[in-house]
Amino acid sequence: GAGVSQSPSNKVTEKGKDVELRCDPISGHTALYWYRQSLGQGLEFLIYFQGNSAPDKSGLPSDRFSAERTGGSVSTLTIQRTQQEDSAVYLCASSLMGPLASSYNEQFFGPGTRLTVL
Amino acid sequence: GQQVMQIPQYQHVQEGEDFTTYCNSSTTLSNIQWYKQRPGGHPVFLIQLVKSGEVKKQKRLTFQFGEAKKNSSLHITATQTTDVGTYFCAVLGGSYIPTFGRGTSLIVHP
Repeated sequence: GAGVSQSPSNKVTEKGKDVELRCDPISGHTALYWYRQSLGQGLEFLIYFQGNSAPDKSGLPSDRFSAERTGGSVSTLTIQRTQQEDSAVYLCASSLMGPLASSYNEQFFGPGTRLTVL
Repeated sequence: GQQVMQIPQYQHVQEGEDFTTYCNSSTTLSNIQWYKQRPGGHPVFLIQLVKSGEVKKQKRLTFQFGEAKKNSSLHITATQTTDVGTYFCAVLGGSYIPTFGRGTSLIVHP
C-alpha cells in the first residue's frame, strides 16, 4: 500500500513569494501532523489535524503559516511572504489515531519537501 | 510545552562497538516512541514503550523505559554501518502533542 506522499519534493522560491506544500496521508489515517526540520536539527511541531476537529495550530511560528485539511484527507501547508529563515525540510506524518486515543499510534512520515528561500 | 532532552547529540563509534542514546524528561511521560532517520531520509518508527520499567528488544536494539516513566534509552549492541543515522525519541507528556528530542546522530566507522 502507498505510504505518505508529499509534493513537491523540492521547492526553490524567492523571498516574499507564497508557497503551498501538499501532503497525502495514508488512507484511513485520522491524524495528520506537519513538522519542520532545519539542517541537523530535530523536528519542530507545526500543526495537528484530528478527524473533523479544529486543528491544533499551536506550533505555527507566525501568521504567515496556515494549513488546511480537506475532507479529512489531503492537507496543504501554505507559507505566505516567505523569508529566508523558512528554509527547511517540511515533513508531514499521519497516524491511524491521534494521541488522545487510548492507544497512541506510530507516525508514518512522508519524504518531506525541501524548501529553499533565496 | 513538554521538554525532553536527548543525549548525546553525536556519537562516533568503531564498527562492532556498542552505542546508547538517552532521552530524559522532567515530567512523567504517557509513553515514548523511538524513530530512526537515515541521512537524507525521513523518520521511521522503531518502537513504542508504555509501561513503567518496560524493556523491548529488536535484534541488536534494546529499548528501556524508566521506572518513573521520565527517561528512556536505546542501546545498540555491536554496531554496524547500517545503523548509521539519527535516532529520535518522541514523547507524550501532559500535552497530547508529540515532542521530539533533538536526536542523536550515530556515526559508525568501518
